[in-house]
Amino acid sequence: DAGVIQSPRHEVTEMGQEVTLRCKPISGHNSLFWYRQTMMRGLELLIYFNNNVPIDDSGMPEDRFSAKMPNASFSTLKIQPSEPRDSAVYFCASSRAGGAGTEAFFGQGTRLTVV
Amino acid sequence: GENVEQHPSTLSVQEGDSAVIKCTYSDSASNYFPWYKQELGKGPQLIIDIRSNVGEKKDQRIAVTLNKTAKHFSLHITETQPEDSAVYFCAGGGSYIPTFGRGTSLIVHP
Repeated sequence: DAGVIQSPRHEVTEMGQEVTLRCKPISGHNSLFWYRQTMMRGLELLIYFNNNVPIDDSGMPEDRFSAKMPNASFSTLKIQPSEPRDSAVYFCASSRAGGAGTEAFFGQGTRLTVV
Repeated sequence: GENVEQHPSTLSVQEGDSAVIKCTYSDSASNYFPWYKQELGKGPQLIIDIRSNVGEKKDQRIAVTLNKTAKHFSLHITETQPEDSAVYFCAGGGSYIPTFGRGTSLIVHP
């Protein structure tokens, strides 16, 4: 298996623009997580999906952030409008079942820079 | 919810020395404690994990110990090598969502 695949690897955008990050989880995994990593705050959970359904989105910073999982093999994280403080590395991770009790497999991340 | 504290934030050792990273957790229901290694430009990757019914687990040069009474667990790396230099994260969770520590940047000097 190719692992969790994220695209793009790098994204530079201007403040106010819409940004869409994409994730393909490992086949057969039914839990998917979006994390944001910054020096100041470490790894922050943004949203957790189980069987394509959002279970916990309490980590989503504000209404500018939205995430979807239309099917078991694809998820998106959208920021609209983007702001410089959104600059971070965004990771998608998937696990076989029940996130806390099993290994989470991370993608390579998307480094987002908002100027 | 779970709260995971990790120390130290930075650890610098000489090649061949041992390194120890410690984490504490708050949720007594937590039963799975993984450790992840993140190399530069990559996502975190699991290196070892332990479940609450075990006090210690070892895999070659790395080991993890768990003290459920005190609610803390530690990562031990022996005979450190330059390629061990990375950021290490502990995690815990009694619910369905793993909570990560803030990370420890380990630097191994040749």
